[in-house]
Amino acid sequence: DAGVTQSPTHLIKTRGQQVTLRCSPKSGHDTVSWYQQALGQGPQFIFQYYEEEERQRGNFPDRFSGHQFPNYSSELNVNALLLGDSALYLCASSLEDRATDTQYFGPGTRLTVL
Amino acid sequence: AQSVTQLGSHVSVSEGALVLLRCNYSSSVPPYLFWYVQYPNQGLQLLLKYTSAATLVKGINGFEAEFKKSETSFHLTKPSAHMSDAAEYFCAVSDNFGNEKLTFGTGTRLTIIP
Repeated sequence: DAGVTQSPTHLIKTRGQQVTLRCSPKSGHDTVSWYQQALGQGPQFIFQYYEEEERQRGNFPDRFSGHQFPNYSSELNVNALLLGDSALYLCASSLEDRATDTQYFGPGTRLTVL
Repeated sequence: AQSVTQLGSHVSVSEGALVLLRCNYSSSVPPYLFWYVQYPNQGLQLLLKYTSAATLVKGINGFEAEFKKSETSFHLTKPSAHMSDAAEYFCAVSDNFGNEKLTFGTGTRLTIIP
């Protein structure tokens, strides 16, 4: 049973560039959430996708956008990168059936903005 | 909005000693509470969760946590520390259900002294 996978593992970009990160949810899961974890901090919620729509959003600017595909995989896009966007980006998947009440996290993508 | 506070950004215990990691929450509704562990350069792994059932929750790797409403606490304990327990531990609270937005604490780095 494949868990949550993310690609790429590491990424280096320069200020002003755009980046796309990818996530494949755990088998059978239909909901994907994205989190940003700055160095030495706890993860912060960016947004969540279900049925290809953004369902919840955290306190992040519009430079952060996402997409969910019919196969439930997801992309996180960040435009006009800033130095402060350097972080570990975590994807988590879960089931809409709330009885499960658990999010499973991937290994993350480490983004460095120079 | 829900929030969690983790007391102590660094905790050191001797191998075989009791592990106690503290978490206090703030919530206007009955919370869903979680403990996650993060090993170096990895994503988050769920240790245990409280979802309004039994107040004493047992998790993986010998960890457990007790939900105390009167103290708004959800402290994580393990009777006997092992070297492999060295990691970063995060307490988290969910707005409504476990598969929705998680709000994390700032984390506690646990060091095990041989």
